[in-house]
Amino acid sequence: ELKVEQNPLFLSMQEGKNYTIYCNYSTTSDRLYWYRQDPGKSLESLFVLLSNGAVKQEGRLMASLDTKARLSTLHITAAVHDLSATYFCAVSTVDINSGAGSYQLTFGKGTKLSVIP
Amino acid sequence: DTAVSQTPKYLVTQMGNDKSIKCEQNLGHDTMYWYKQDSKKFLKIMFSYNNKELIINETVPNRFSPKSPDKAHLNLHINSLELGDSAVYFCASSQPSLYGYTFGSGTRLTVV
Repeated sequence: ELKVEQNPLFLSMQEGKNYTIYCNYSTTSDRLYWYRQDPGKSLESLFVLLSNGAVKQEGRLMASLDTKARLSTLHITAAVHDLSATYFCAVSTVDINSGAGSYQLTFGKGTKLSVIP
Repeated sequence: DTAVSQTPKYLVTQMGNDKSIKCEQNLGHDTMYWYKQDSKKFLKIMFSYNNKELIINETVPNRFSPKSPDKAHLNLHINSLELGDSAVYFCASSQPSLYGYTFGSGTRLTVV
């Protein structure tokens, strides 16, 4: 069974500081996703990482993927209060029992980020 | 134009009732999903439906049944609702060649 582990699960940080969220997964995958969820809201896609060494940046967030280590990181630079949310990583795998080659996402437990002024 | 739309947004019902949640996508995606998010925010796949092929997560009780009248719709029907079914249910769709998954806004189900 695929396991996706995020840490930390809770993160409280001051504005202006940097921090990294880690996402480890237990099986081979070539697709890793990062999502943001605000309270009571849906999941917003942040990044899709498709290959080893992939790095993507959007504003104060940067995501990277190391498929050999089965590790992705989400780095937060100079945090601001608006970044407060829950961040999920998710790994996409194909169901080998599916004749149609159905992909599905397996999520980590999420990291609840609180940025304190 | 909402890409993946779910109705209702909130659903409060008594134990033992049967209810349905509807989902529609206008993205032309081939695969649709139902995910359950529990009170601890953990997201777990319940079903995926691709070209009329249904893949069921074996941990999902058979009281839950997805119904897909066509490629753009995947509804979730729940029989004999239990307190433990209270959660937020998200519909999603994807097109493997496009890599992206799009989520609906969620349905918060409360069983009392």
